[in-house]
Amino acid sequence: DIQMTQSPSSLPASVGDRVTITCRASQRINSFLNWYQQKPGKAPKLLIYGASSLQSGVPSRFSGSGSGTDFTLTISSLQPEDFATYYCQQTYTTLGYSFGQGTRVEIK
Amino acid sequence: EVQLMEFGGGLVQPGGSLRLSCSASGLNVTQNYMGWVRQTPGRGLEWVSLIFSGGSTFYADSVKGRFTISRDTPKNMLFFEMNSLRAEDTAVYYCVRVEASRRESDYFYYMDVWGKGTTVTVSS
Repeated sequence: DIQMTQSPSSLPASVGDRVTITCRASQRINSFLNWYQQKPGKAPKLLIYGASSLQSGVPSRFSGSGSGTDFTLTISSLQPEDFATYYCQQTYTTLGYSFGQGTRVEIK
Repeated sequence: EVQLMEFGGGLVQPGGSLRLSCSASGLNVTQNYMGWVRQTPGRGLEWVSLIFSGGSTFYADSVKGRFTISRDTPKNMLFFEMNSLRAEDTAVYYCVRVEASRRESDYFYYMDVWGKGTTVTVSS
């Protein structure tokens, strides 16, 4: 199984901050990496697929980068509606589309 | 508008069975890759099953042999038959569409449509 590890688990931040979340895979997954945002009581929402492609309708302040084992999600200027939990997911193998444990972006 | 709606969750005793259903609108469950993802406070998001448009099915090791994914073409619905339920199967279960996007020679898969989720509680 491919293990996905996110850091940090919790990220205190303020509106306007540049925020970076890291995701590391236990083996190389090329660019088969997605990012999701989840707010309390809601289903996850797709932000980024293929490591760097922005899903339609997602604000351009969200961006993704990386390949191989190390990936990042960046929010260029944090907005009030961005306080949420973010998850990475690998889709390199159908043996298991595993998720990271999540990073909670909270108000500092 | 593309929508998925799950139902069928509830309270079941350990060892019991439950069948989840997912009703789709705006998309054809047979022509898409579809799946189930579950979430618990302790284990976070966990992919559990996939069914390809061609009918191939895949399961997480944690549910293999106990859970079965299937679909009904006329009703445009996805199902998840869960047997031999355990306390650790307690979770919110989401129905998802798995979309693909081609970039050069690769197809990138991602879950772009999610239902609101249905809660399964396994307890005596």
